[in-house]
Amino acid sequence: QKEVEQDPGPLSVPEGAIVSLNCTYSNSAFQYFMWYRQYSRKGPELLMYTYSSGNKEDGRFTAQVDKSSKYISLFIRDSQPSDSATYLCAMSSNTGFQKLVFGTGTRLLVSP
Amino acid sequence: EAGVTQSPTHLIKTRGQQATLRCSPISGHTSVYWYQQALGLGLQFLLWYDEGEERNRGNFPPRFSGRQFPNYSSELNVNALELEDSALYLCASSLSGLAGSTGELFFGEGSRLTVL
Repeated sequence: QKEVEQDPGPLSVPEGAIVSLNCTYSNSAFQYFMWYRQYSRKGPELLMYTYSSGNKEDGRFTAQVDKSSKYISLFIRDSQPSDSATYLCAMSSNTGFQKLVFGTGTRLLVSP
Repeated sequence: EAGVTQSPTHLIKTRGQQATLRCSPISGHTSVYWYQQALGLGLQFLLWYDEGEERNRGNFPPRFSGRQFPNYSSELNVNALELEDSALYLCASSLSGLAGSTGELFFGEGSRLTVL
């Protein structure tokens, strides 16, 4: 069993839809949770960073962490075609960004 | 300001050969990380260098090795290449990866290695 599970998609939605992306994990030691966005032929870029449980909002993006269920989510409101990318969840039990464990990524397609 | 740069962009090798990949971090960053992104497996942590020292390595065999130079650039070497080494190799840098730091990782665009 992988430490981090993520549905590879693709997830296709129309412009303006609310998108929900999810990851589950098995290692209860994870405390740092991140979402990265990776455009085709580019490296991943950090979108959201959350410590422990709770919600964090940044513009159209909301990250949720439920440590009791070992489940994290990323919500995208008013999705845009420019949001079309692969979204990777990542986690760490260390301080900060050392030795991240990534999900396989979910490919999101937002059609105009 | 230049981001993380990696070379070569693409590399084709045959089984048993050696591959060398290079990475230049963002100016001022002392930590360099290497990740392997193989199809269907997601990013797998390979190596972490800080201030010229190897600080941590992932679950990869010893034929994956590297080093960090005094200017903080880094090199990843893969010896005795196997078909399953075909992947995108991503380098990332941060201000510092040492304990207590929450420095964001900035990724390069990767070097795609194909082993035939």
